[in-house]
Amino acid sequence: KNEVEQSPQNLTAQEGEFITINCSYSVGISALHWLQQHPGGGIVSLFMLSSGKKKHGRLIATINIQEKHSSLHITASHPRDSAVYICAALTDKLIFGTGTRLQVFP
Amino acid sequence: DAGVTQSPTHLIKTRGQQVTLRCSPKSGHDTVSWYQQALGQGPQFIFQYYEEEERQRGNFPDRFSGHQFPNYSSELNVNALLLGDSALYLCASSSAGAETQYFGPGTRLLVL
Repeated sequence: KNEVEQSPQNLTAQEGEFITINCSYSVGISALHWLQQHPGGGIVSLFMLSSGKKKHGRLIATINIQEKHSSLHITASHPRDSAVYICAALTDKLIFGTGTRLQVFP
Repeated sequence: DAGVTQSPTHLIKTRGQQVTLRCSPKSGHDTVSWYQQALGQGPQFIFQYYEEEERQRGNFPDRFSGHQFPNYSSELNVNALLLGDSALYLCASSSAGAETQYFGPGTRLLVL
């Protein structure tokens, strides 16, 4: 069993839909990262969370430390949101989930 | 600020060869981490360098080695390449003690 699990693995949506991606982890963490990876490989850090909730534009990330669970939400999704979204748990190193491939169609 | 840069962007090698990948960290960062990302998988931690020493290591064989230079740039060396080493190799930099890592664009290695 992976120490960081994401669901779903693949997600398709129509433009405008509300998206939720889930991340569960089994290790003790100091923080959890949400990352976005576009085709070609470049990774962009979206959020780093250690508690509560963070919002940036249409993106919202939440974390429940007791339940070892985090969610990434995208409101009013757009085709340019199409990418792989990866959560990564920070222990003494980053442990990555396998990613969620999101495709948003017009 | 150029951010994290990696070279080359793409590389093709054959089995048994050796390869060196390079990473320049973001300005002001002194810690460099290397990751291997196989197709369809999340990145896997290879090792981290700080103060020119390997500080942590993931579950990778000794064929994977690295180096950090006084200017904080880093190299990843892989010897005796296997087909399974084909992957995207990502470098990330950070400041010691900081939790945020900044990723480079990666080097895509294909081993034939």
